[in-house]
Amino acid sequence: NAGVTQTPKFQVLKTGQSMTLQCAQDMNHEYMSWYRQDPGMGLRLIHYSVGAGITDQGEVPNGYNVSRSTTEDFPLRLLSAAPSQTSVYFCASSSPGTANYEQYFGPGTRLTVT
Amino acid sequence: AQTVTQSQPEMSVQEAETVTLSCTYDTSESNYYLFWYKQPPSRQMILVIRQEAYKQQNATENRFSVNFQKAAKSFSLKISDSQLGDTAMYFCAFRFFGNEKLTFGTGTRLTIIP
Repeated sequence: NAGVTQTPKFQVLKTGQSMTLQCAQDMNHEYMSWYRQDPGMGLRLIHYSVGAGITDQGEVPNGYNVSRSTTEDFPLRLLSAAPSQTSVYFCASSSPGTANYEQYFGPGTRLTVT
Repeated sequence: AQTVTQSQPEMSVQEAETVTLSCTYDTSESNYYLFWYKQPPSRQMILVIRQEAYKQQNATENRFSVNFQKAAKSFSLKISDSQLGDTAMYFCAFRFFGNEKLTFGTGTRLTIIP
């Protein structure tokens, strides 16, 4: 049981490049989400999904795209990277309606845009 | 929208002492959950403790306990007998009942001094 996995762990991009951050979970969780962490700002919600085929915007969605074709995977796409997207990105998953309440986080991806 | 405020950006305490981290939040709702997450240098987000707003009893997990004051909208974390492994960033987080989206505070960097 791997939990929530993210790849890559580190990435350096040039301004204008595109890339996809991968997130997968093996717990059959319906809910998945992406957060970004910036110094002095905590974690902020980018996009989330309540199930396959359903996605919605969070607090800071601009410049990011998501899709959810399977329960297990929730990739985050940067269409044209900007220096303002330099951050640490976390994927999380949970199973709504359970007594656990816990969201499980992946190990994070540190992205630098030059 | 709800907000979560952590007014102590940094704290330090001697090993074996007790330390309290503060968190306040703002919401007009009555059903919600509160969490404390620990983020050690490894970057992994680890759930420390959670509190359901409908419960009057303060949550406790071994050396970690909370002081939940619903009327004052305060949710502080007390760490007893602090250990070197407690050195980390600590985030307070909030979510509504029936909604998986988490709102985080800006974090408190805690250093345990040997």
